[in-house]
Amino acid sequence: ELKVEQNPLFLSMQEGKNYTIYCNYSTTSDRLYWYRQDPGKSLESLFVLLSNGAVKQEGRLMASLDTKARLSTLHITAAVHDLSATYFCAVAEVGNYKLTFGKGTLLTVNP
Amino acid sequence: DVKVTQSSRYLVKRTGEKVFLECVQDMDHENMFWYRQDPGLGLRLIYFSYDVKMKEKGDIPEGYSVSREKKERFSLILESASTNQTSMYLCASGTSLPQETQYFGPGTRLLVL
Repeated sequence: ELKVEQNPLFLSMQEGKNYTIYCNYSTTSDRLYWYRQDPGKSLESLFVLLSNGAVKQEGRLMASLDTKARLSTLHITAAVHDLSATYFCAVAEVGNYKLTFGKGTLLTVNP
Repeated sequence: DVKVTQSSRYLVKRTGEKVFLECVQDMDHENMFWYRQDPGLGLRLIYFSYDVKMKEKGDIPEGYSVSREKKERFSLILESASTNQTSMYLCASGTSLPQETQYFGPGTRLLVL
């Protein structure tokens, strides 16, 4: 059974600081996703990572994937208040449509 | 833009009622999914469908059924609602492998009394 662990689950940071959210998973995967969820809203797709060493960047967010370590990171650079949200990673087993989600990281960026 | 819509944002039902949650997507996606989201448990897959009239169980199918008669529409049915089915229900639709991405609807917050 695929297990996905995110940490930290709660992250409070100051504007301008850098931080990293980690996503570990337990079995071989060919796709890893990062989603953002604002309070009371649905999930918004941020990144899809398909291969070992994949790196994608959008604004102050950068995601990477190490399939050998079964680890993905979401790095936040110079955080701003607008980044406050819950971030989820989700992993799919090879050739499988089913996604297994981590429990999410609630990020609060304080002025 | 991909659009996934759900029939209700909020729903209040009584124990034992039959409940229908509807989801419609406008991007001609083959795959559609129903999740529930609960605090501390994250998102869990209930059912998914990879084609019209085709369905597969997810992690927590008990107490639920689904229907997909048309490609754009995927319905979740609670046969006899119970209080432990109070939750946020999220529908998603997805493109095909290998670069499958799931796009989520706004969610239905269901309260079962």
